[in-house]
Amino acid sequence: DAKTTQPTSMDCAEGRAANLPCNHSTISGNEYVYWYRQIHSQGPQYIIHGLKNNETNEMASLIITEDRKSSTLILPHATLRDTAVYYCIVRYDNQGGKLIFGQGTELSVKP
Amino acid sequence: DTEVTQTPKHLVMGMTNKKSLKCEQHMGHRAMYWYKQKAKKPPELMFVYSYEKLSINESVPSRFSPECPNSSLLNLHLHALQPEDSALYLCASTQWGTTEETQYFGPGTRLLVL
Repeated sequence: DAKTTQPTSMDCAEGRAANLPCNHSTISGNEYVYWYRQIHSQGPQYIIHGLKNNETNEMASLIITEDRKSSTLILPHATLRDTAVYYCIVRYDNQGGKLIFGQGTELSVKP
Repeated sequence: DTEVTQTPKHLVMGMTNKKSLKCEQHMGHRAMYWYKQKAKKPPELMFVYSYEKLSINESVPSRFSPECPNSSLLNLHLHALQPEDSALYLCASTQWGTTEETQYFGPGTRLLVL
């Protein structure tokens, strides 16, 4: 069973920041939070991951709350090409590296 | 290079056919995965190979038969499939062995079973 909860869908205006929330209230101490996205009919694309600290790379920023029960993926300047389904995944190390995908958030970036 | 390649891109097969899907990576990864994704649903794990050995089979029907001939190559042999097996089949790979691993996915093979 997926252990993350995300809104089903969100809209964002082009050029604005997109903030995608994720709840993972049962996360344990050594489990990482991963974000992937899937543009229609393509394979999932890795975005970013983190454990405790906030992380930033060329694609996005990841903000993890101090209690680690939730996180937010931030796309600082969304473009139309960012329209995709975004998956927040808690990686279960004791299950042989399985990624258990939840339903994800369908982000629509509008002009 | 973080590329995972999959062939073919599209496949149409009858229920009595035998076909194979191929996945390849040259990142030196030692774990490879098959996922199945139905329309409007998230990917679901089917098989995991680590160091060329099958480590996880998620109770997949025997009409799907995985094979890992070497560390760079992963096949999925298909036989006597049903129309409900029509889906996007995704391959992924990762380094293996640490808690901090990123899986890299291929573009998928879209399978239609008639």
